[in-house]
Amino acid sequence: EADIYQTPRYLVIGTGKKITLECSQTMGHDKMYWYQQDPGMELHLIHYSYGVNSTEKGDLSSESTVSRIRTEHFPLTLESARPSHTSQYLCASSLQGSGANVLTFGAGSRLTVL
Amino acid sequence: GQNIDQPTEMTATEGAIVQINCTYQTSGFNGLFWYQQHAGEAPTFLSYNVLDGLEEKGRFSSFLSRSKGYSYLLLKELQMKDSASYLCAVRPVTGGGNKLTFGTGTQLKVEL
Repeated sequence: EADIYQTPRYLVIGTGKKITLECSQTMGHDKMYWYQQDPGMELHLIHYSYGVNSTEKGDLSSESTVSRIRTEHFPLTLESARPSHTSQYLCASSLQGSGANVLTFGAGSRLTVL
Repeated sequence: GQNIDQPTEMTATEGAIVQINCTYQTSGFNGLFWYQQHAGEAPTFLSYNVLDGLEEKGRFSSFLSRSKGYSYLLLKELQMKDSASYLCAVRPVTGGGNKLTFGTGTQLKVEL
């Protein structure tokens, strides 16, 4: 049973198109993240948010942008997609505070830019 | 900088025990996580270590040595469904929050 939802799961688009990858969670988590993962490679953090109206860039530079207008929603946008953006994008969320604060991941959005 | 190393692939037999190693060099340390990721699916949490020693959870155990920058994931009584990628991730103190740095993952194949 998924508590964090990503749409679309798969998307094939042409170069230059604007796309938005949706991510929503129903767990009331304050923190949300976007990771990028190429086949056989590690996950790289590209964006994160610690709450509404808070967004920061991650460790890997990305041409995408994010917004956090509502706690449960953390969409990622590419204004003009290029073939180099072809990858899997994983959204995750976690609680605030100390302790393990385990990341819960969505199923991912696999993007192919032709 | 952050550096996490784990073997790329491992193969083991159903019913056996397998140990997946992970070494890390990070700027600060505030916990090590193991995740399981089946092909085309989301990573799911397996274990968390912040202090030295062994954490046991059913068929899965994870060990941490902070002084050696070393962890392992031990899987017992292997089942075919354990075939997956196992991701080692470290939460550095610097940078704050709950950002994790992931290794490339170890692809485990369980055979009959």
